[in-house]
Amino acid sequence: DVKVTQSSRYLVKRTGEKVFLECVQDMDHENMFWYRQDPGLGLRLIYFSYDVKMKEKGDIPEGYSVSREKKERFSLILESASTNQTSMYLCASSPHRGGSNQPQHFGDGTRLSIL
Amino acid sequence: RKEVEQDPGPFNVPEGATVAFNCTYSNSASQSFFWYRQDCRKEPKLLMSVYSSGNEDGRFTAQLNRASQYISLLIRDSKLSDSATYLCVVNSDSSNTGKLIFGQGTTLQVKP
Repeated sequence: DVKVTQSSRYLVKRTGEKVFLECVQDMDHENMFWYRQDPGLGLRLIYFSYDVKMKEKGDIPEGYSVSREKKERFSLILESASTNQTSMYLCASSPHRGGSNQPQHFGDGTRLSIL
Repeated sequence: RKEVEQDPGPFNVPEGATVAFNCTYSNSASQSFFWYRQDCRKEPKLLMSVYSSGNEDGRFTAQLNRASQYISLLIRDSKLSDSATYLCVVNSDSSNTGKLIFGQGTTLQVKP
């Protein structure tokens, strides 16, 4: 089974802090994704990466950055946390198989509260 | 227009009922389609892929209508444990980046 592990289930931080959310997958997947999920807004893509050191902006990248130094690890960074970044953050991964898009596998999620 | 649209529901059905959800997508070039299930305060989990000819997995049947750009999910003999939010998912483009577009979900409540 694919295992996507997010470093924390619950996290509380203060406004202005730099926040790191870590995600590790054990299936040698090329693609990794960070989403946030808010009531009434569904899943929104923040950033994704299709290879080591590669990153692409999603739909809502403002206020976030990412790092992919190793294939198995994809980090989301909140440069200066703000209260409107309080949300559920979900990491996902998928393999890259030429000619088709594969389903994504999700971690358990991190509930982040910014006070 | 949203790229993937679903009726949010909730659909309230008794145990044993048959229920169907539809989902429409806007990009006619989309090639990959999935249904995910998400329980309250949990992560989305893949329920099934949707194939052009339609496919079945136990009590669940998925169908694709490319001409009308919609996919459907049929659940037969509903169980209490089927209560969840069902997300319709479509690949966003043909560039093979692995990027998917998630609908906002349809909530199903199965009552005793």
